[in-house]
Amino acid sequence: ELKVEQNPLFLSMQEGKNYTIYCNYSTTSDRLYWYRQDPGKSLESLFVLLSNGAVKQEGRLMASLDTKARLSTLHITAAVHDLSATYFCAGESGSARQLTFGSGTQLTVLP
Amino acid sequence: DTAVSQTPKYLVTQMGNDKSIKCEQNLGHDTMYWYKQDSKKFLKIMFSYNNKELIINETVPNRFSPKSPDKAHLNLHINSLELGDSAVYFCASSHLDRFYGYTFGSGTRLTVV
Repeated sequence: ELKVEQNPLFLSMQEGKNYTIYCNYSTTSDRLYWYRQDPGKSLESLFVLLSNGAVKQEGRLMASLDTKARLSTLHITAAVHDLSATYFCAGESGSARQLTFGSGTQLTVLP
Repeated sequence: DTAVSQTPKYLVTQMGNDKSIKCEQNLGHDTMYWYKQDSKKFLKIMFSYNNKELIINETVPNRFSPKSPDKAHLNLHINSLELGDSAVYFCASSHLDRFYGYTFGSGTRLTVV
């Protein structure tokens, strides 16, 4: 059974600073996903990482995948207030490709 | 608009009632899912369903049952609602054989009083 651990659970950071969210998973995952969720809203897909060494960047966010270490990271560069949200990583497994989510990281970017 | 749509968006009901949440996708996807997000924002798969199989998470009480009248719909029926069923329920869809990722509905906030 796939298990996904994400840390930290809560992250407060100053605008302009950099930080990384970590996502460890327990067994082989076909793909690794990152989602953003704003309060009371649905899940917005940020990145899909398909293979070892994959790196994807969108604006101030960059995601990477190390399948050997079973680790994915979401790096935030020069944070701005608009990035405040909850971020989830999720691994995919099973014949129906079900997603197993990490516990989420609630990011607050302070002015 | 192409999307996954859920109704209702909010549902408040009394303990013991039976309720349904509807989900429709017009993306041509062949697999649909129900996820539950609890008060701590933890997301967990409840069901996945396509034409071939229904996969039920073993932790889901049998009071919950998915009903799929056709490929574009996967409704969630809940019997004898309990306080602990209060959560946000998300429907999602994907296509198993072609990678387009997952599309999530906007969620249904269920409150059992």
